[in-house]
Amino acid sequence: SQQGEEDPQALSIQEGENATMNCSYKTSINNLQWYRQNSGRGLVHLILIRSNEREKHSGRLRVTLDTSKKSSSLLITASRAADTASYFCATGFQGGSEKLVFGKGTKLTVNP
Amino acid sequence: GAGVSQSPSNKVTEKGKDVELRCDPISGHTALYWYRQSLGQGLEFLIYFQGNSAPDKSGLPSDRFSAERTGGSVSTLTIQRTQQEDSAVYLCASNLAGGGFADTQYFGPGTRLTVL
Repeated sequence: SQQGEEDPQALSIQEGENATMNCSYKTSINNLQWYRQNSGRGLVHLILIRSNEREKHSGRLRVTLDTSKKSSSLLITASRAADTASYFCATGFQGGSEKLVFGKGTKLTVNP
Repeated sequence: GAGVSQSPSNKVTEKGKDVELRCDPISGHTALYWYRQSLGQGLEFLIYFQGNSAPDKSGLPSDRFSAERTGGSVSTLTIQRTQQEDSAVYLCASNLAGGGFADTQYFGPGTRLTVL
């Protein structure tokens, strides 16, 4: 079963607006990562937040992590049409395998 | 090369045929991963290599699926006797890894497999 669950499944906004996507997970993690996917092909890493961090910024991206609620959010500010893509959260676990467990993603559409 | 490469980019095959998918990781990356993404779904982990060995192959869905890695570099994912439910995009990723921290992974463009 998948660890991360993103919500909403789909989000449509106007250019310039902010987009917020949420991710919930079930078990203890070492880190949580957000990836972007265009056109159903390769994923691009956006940001990684470790379990001892609460907030991280990268350009127009802001990620928060609440380990007590087992949830994370990705905020994209001042969205652009080029931000249209699917966004996935992925969790890495403490110890053991290096694998990431992905959610089903949020499909973001930014309308010009 | 500069990034992870995969070949072929698209593969159409008939049910029952065997297919081989190839992944070239980023030079120097010791860890290599295979994932599968079915239509409209998230990524499903298949197998993880550290060097030439596979410490975690828990995601391989059946014994029709196998993978190997040689020379600590190129990896091949083989699907025998393909079924229609094997149709998906197969994604490969690599990183330096090894510390048990599940760090950032760098993905290739994927191979879209269609089984008719």
